[in-house]
Amino acid sequence: KAGVTQTPRYLIKTRGQQVTLSCSPISGHRSVSWYQQTPGQGLQFLFEYFSETQRNKGNFPGRFSGRQFSNSRSEMNVSTLELGDSALYLCASSLGGRDNQPQHFGDGTRLSIL
Amino acid sequence: QKEVEQNSGPLSVPEGAIASLNCTYSDRGSQSFFWYRQYSGKSPELIMFIYSNGDKEDGRFTAQLNKASQYVSLLIRDSQPSDSATYLCAQRARNNDMRFGAGTRLTVKP
Repeated sequence: KAGVTQTPRYLIKTRGQQVTLSCSPISGHRSVSWYQQTPGQGLQFLFEYFSETQRNKGNFPGRFSGRQFSNSRSEMNVSTLELGDSALYLCASSLGGRDNQPQHFGDGTRLSIL
Repeated sequence: QKEVEQNSGPLSVPEGAIASLNCTYSDRGSQSFFWYRQYSGKSPELIMFIYSNGDKEDGRFTAQLNKASQYVSLLIRDSQPSDSATYLCAQRARNNDMRFGAGTRLTVKP
């Protein structure tokens, strides 16, 4: 069974640009969550999508947005990039619903802002 | 107070010893707890999950949950240098959020 797939793996952008990251969950998983990880702040929750609806949202500015498609694939968009957005962006999927199933992470997209 | 707290370490143990990693949480309504291992430059990898009070064993790993005292721990027996990594504790809260601790860095010395 294929794991969580994130593309691209690496990305270099400049300030002011925008970026779209993609995540394909494990087959059958309907919940997709996005996290930002930096050395100083650790793993921070961005948002979670389930059945094409945003179910939870972390404390990030509106420049960070996402969506989920009917096949459960998800995209995350960051507009007007800032230097502080340089981070590893991780996607995690789980079966979803109100269950206790664990999340499984993709390899991440490492975003560097110049 | 952070919702999930871990000692950041580093925790250093000799090869073959037992490594004990601890985590406390504030949300009493949490039902499920997870341990992830993250190697430097890699993404977190699930190694254990536990839902009920008591111990759960999987190979060299044992997860312990004490809901009354609000802590969860991970024991690694016969620690190996390949166990050197950062270990993240996570809980799924009542509103279904996943909350992660800052992680404990473990070093196993040959």
